[in-house]
Amino acid sequence: EVQLVQSGAEVKKPGESLRISCKGSGYSFTSHYINWVRQMPGKGLEWMGRIDPSDSYSHYSPSFQGHITISVDKSISTAYLQWSSLKASDTAIYYCAANVFVPASDYWGQGTLVTVSS
Amino acid sequence: DIQMTQSPSSVSASVGDRVTITCRASQAISSWLAWYQQKPAKAPTLLIYSASSLQSGVPSRFSGSGSGTDFTLTISSLQPEDFATYFCQQVNSFPLTFGGGTKVEI
Repeated sequence: EVQLVQSGAEVKKPGESLRISCKGSGYSFTSHYINWVRQMPGKGLEWMGRIDPSDSYSHYSPSFQGHITISVDKSISTAYLQWSSLKASDTAIYYCAANVFVPASDYWGQGTLVTVSS
Repeated sequence: DIQMTQSPSSVSASVGDRVTITCRASQAISSWLAWYQQKPAKAPTLLIYSASSLQSGVPSRFSGSGSGTDFTLTISSLQPEDFATYFCQQVNSFPLTFGGGTKVEI
């Protein structure tokens, strides 16, 4: 069974760093893209970026470029989304999603709530 | 960037109704469009990919059509479990972009 399991909720202060994770199982992790998607409270979905786990090549949305880093550790089938300096406006639920069997995100993680507040 | 415009932003409907949601791309994306359903406090789930291909396990009352810039998601007979928010996403070119969402409510 294909699964994406994300790390737990985080509460951080502005300016702090953070890395959240997404562990894939039940499929060939290095053969399928991982996307990250933001959903701010009460709002829609925003595509942040995507990584090819086979070579770590990433595409970022211009809206997020320079503020986030997407990476993978192939040895443990885990993708990461990282901030070096959080802002209050980063408060949101973050989803990872994989394109496994079709050209769209057919598998999603359960989401990670990130709260940034002083 | 390709802008995806969904309409309506919300629709009130009843069980058994036929519901149609449209998504317009700011430039041609061939058939590189997906539709997702999201229920409150849950992750989105894929309904339709490649504009008209039904994702495995999704009921046949859901259908998608269109190509180029204009796309439609149709629910032929609305069921109680279909009350949710629906998003389109273009997967033609980076950055991949979502529509603003359509909330289907009673």
